Amino acid sequence: DGGITQSPKYLFRKEGQNVTLSCEQNLNHDAMYWYRQDPGQGLRLIYYSQIVNDFQKGDIAEGYSVSREKKESFPLTVTSAQKNPTAFYLCASSPKPTGTGLGNEQFFGPGTRLTVL
Amino acid sequence: GEDVEQSLFLSVREGDSSVINCTYTDSSSTYLYWYKQEPGAGLQLLTYIFSNMDMKQDQRLTVLLNKKDKHLSLRIADTQTGDSAIYFCAETVYYGNNRLAFGKGNQVVVIP
Repeated sequence: DGGITQSPKYLFRKEGQNVTLSCEQNLNHDAMYWYRQDPGQGLRLIYYSQIVNDFQKGDIAEGYSVSREKKESFPLTVTSAQKNPTAFYLCASSPKPTGTGLGNEQFFGPGTRLTVL
Repeated sequence: GEDVEQSLFLSVREGDSSVINCTYTDSSSTYLYWYKQEPGAGLQLLTYIFSNMDMKQDQRLTVLLNKKDKHLSLRIADTQTGDSAIYFCAETVYYGNNRLAFGKGNQVVVIP
C-alpha cells in the first residue's frame, strides 16, 4: 500500500532531551513537510523540503532540525531549544515541488503526539 | 501574504445539511482544498476546486467558490455521524515554492 507513515504514534520526552520523529513515504513524492498542530491554532509549518538534500524553514523552525538524505524520508528532530514542544506533529508530502497545476495537494501521515514530561 | 479564516464550531443534526465557510486572501491561489481531520488522526484530502470554477460537486460534498469575495464554502448533504471532524480549508501559496496555507479549522459535531 502506498502512503505516509509516522512513528511513533505517541512519544514522551523529558525536558532537555532531543527527540527525533520519523516520517516515511512510498508515494515517490518530491516534496515533504512538517507541521505542528496545537488546539485552536490550526497547522503551522515547521520545515519543508522540495527535493533531496535541500530544505527550507517554515514559519516556526526555531528549536527544530530536519534532514532529507533520501527522497522517501524526512525526519524531524525536536531539540532542547524548543521551549514548548508538547504538540501533535504532522508530516505531509506532495507530488510536485513547484508549479501552479494540480499536484500541490498534500497528503498527510497519521501524526505523532509528543508530550514533554 | 496568505491568511485563511474559518469559523470554529458547528453543530448539526444527522440528516441535515451542514455548511462550512472559509475566506482567503491570496487572489493568485489557483487551487483551494478541503481537508477532514478525525480525532487523533492526520488530515484527509476531501476535495479541491480550481479557481476558474464556481462550483464542484462530489457525491455528498458541494464546494462553492466566490472568487470576487475570496469566499469558499463546503456543503455536506445528509450529514452523518461519521462526518463529525475538524474541517480545514487551504489555499495554495506561491513565491517560488509549493506551500499550502491552512485555516484554523472548523469543528463539526453531528448530533444523532
